[in-house]
Amino acid sequence: TQLLEQSPQFLSIQEGENLTVYCNSSSVFSSLQWYRQEPGEGPVLLVTVVTGGEVKKLKRLTFQFGDARKDSSLHITAAQPGDTGLYLCAVVTSNSGYALNFGKGTSLLVTP
Amino acid sequence: NAGVTQTPKFQVLKTGQSMTLQCAQDMNHEYMSWYRQDPGMGLRLIHYSVGAGITDQGEVPNGYNVSRSTTEDFPLRLLSAAPSQTSVYFCASSYSASRGINYGYTFGSGTRLTVV
Repeated sequence: TQLLEQSPQFLSIQEGENLTVYCNSSSVFSSLQWYRQEPGEGPVLLVTVVTGGEVKKLKRLTFQFGDARKDSSLHITAAQPGDTGLYLCAVVTSNSGYALNFGKGTSLLVTP
Repeated sequence: NAGVTQTPKFQVLKTGQSMTLQCAQDMNHEYMSWYRQDPGMGLRLIHYSVGAGITDQGEVPNGYNVSRSTTEDFPLRLLSAAPSQTSVYFCASSYSASRGINYGYTFGSGTRLTVV
């Protein structure tokens, strides 16, 4: 059973459009992390959200942690081709030494 | 540059061969872990370590061994390679959790392994 469900799986949009991707679970987490992965590279940490209801902004990216700490969303405003990549949400659990448990990711393609 | 270094970047093995994927970090991170990434399966945890001398199994440990003799190094050994181990392997490291919160991992650039 997948701990984290991400949607949509694939997203293809044009430059300038807005989009939101989701990361959902039935479990409660103390924190949640978002990563972006480009082809041929390892994931790169974008943000960690800790508090229920928390909103964090990173330039055109807005991250929100659900009030109940079971879900999170990533909103991109005015997407650019440089935003193309695989967006992954992940959580850590103390029973696996705080190693990461990932969702399967949202693959985003932004065309000019 | 500080970070996580993985070697080699590419490797082709024959079924039954053994090899070691190297992972080194220079950030004095306590936590280190190995993942494999396969199409449709996402990133899955193979083994992890919370400090030198301490390792444990993740979700998909069969066919792999690890050891952590120093803080810096966390090699992954394939004992007898099988085609099912064809994958991209990532090593990651992090500071230890603070009050139960882990603030994020640094990943290496990966090793692409093909077993024929």
